[in-house]
Amino acid sequence: AQKVTQAQTEISVVEKEDVTLDCVYETRDTTYYLFWYKQPPSGELVFLIRRNSFDEQNEISGRYSWNFQKSTSSFNFTITASQVVDSAVYFCALINNAGNMLTFGGGTRLMVKP
Amino acid sequence: DAGVTQSPTHLIKTRGQQVTLRCSPKSGHDTVSWYQQALGQGPQFIFQYYEEEERQRGNFPDRFSGHQFPNYSSELNVNALLLGDSALYLCASSSAGTGGADTQYFGPGTRLTVL
Repeated sequence: AQKVTQAQTEISVVEKEDVTLDCVYETRDTTYYLFWYKQPPSGELVFLIRRNSFDEQNEISGRYSWNFQKSTSSFNFTITASQVVDSAVYFCALINNAGNMLTFGGGTRLMVKP
Repeated sequence: DAGVTQSPTHLIKTRGQQVTLRCSPKSGHDTVSWYQQALGQGPQFIFQYYEEEERQRGNFPDRFSGHQFPNYSSELNVNALLLGDSALYLCASSSAGTGGADTQYFGPGTRLTVL
C-alpha cells in the first residue's frame, strides 16, 4: 500500500518570507513517481513537478525548489520570497510505475499575507 | 491547446437520484481518471479508463460507474446518491504511451451537492 503524509495542515507566512512544505511518502515499489500540485480557490489542480525515484537531483524553477531525499522518503517543496498569489492548497502525490492511481496527501493550506 | 474540460461546473441533487458528470481530455491524451475530493481532504481515486475499458478501480462502491467514448471523453455516473457523495469530482487526463506513469492533468472539477 502507498501512503503520502503532509503533516502541516496549514501554514501562514508574510509576503517575501521563504516557506517549506513537507511531504513524506511510503511505498514498497522501487520505481515510482512523485508529484506536487497546487489547488487555488478555483478548485483546479495545477501540476507543478514530477520526479521519478531514480532521480534525486534537486530541482529549481524560478522561486520554486524541490528537495527529494530517498533516504528519508521525503519530497519537500520550498517557495522562496513568497507572494500573495502563492496562497493555495498544495498537494504531494505518489504513483508507482505500473499503477494508474495517484495517492495524494491531505494537503497543506498556505496563506501568504501582504 | 485546450486543457481538460468538465461539465457541469456545479450540480445540486437530492438523495436517491442519479447523476452524470462529463469530461473531455487534454488534446493528445487517451486516458481519463476520476477522483473524488471531499471538503478539506486530498483527492481519492475512483477509477481510470483507457481504450474504453476500466483499467483500475479505487475503493468505491458499484454505485459509481463510468464510460469512455471512442473520442476519449468520459462520463462518471453515480446512482442512488447519498449525502456523503457531496464533493468536488475531478477528472484527469494522461497519455498511456509514454512509458511509466504519465503526468495526470486535471480539469476544473464538478462540485456536486446532495441534499
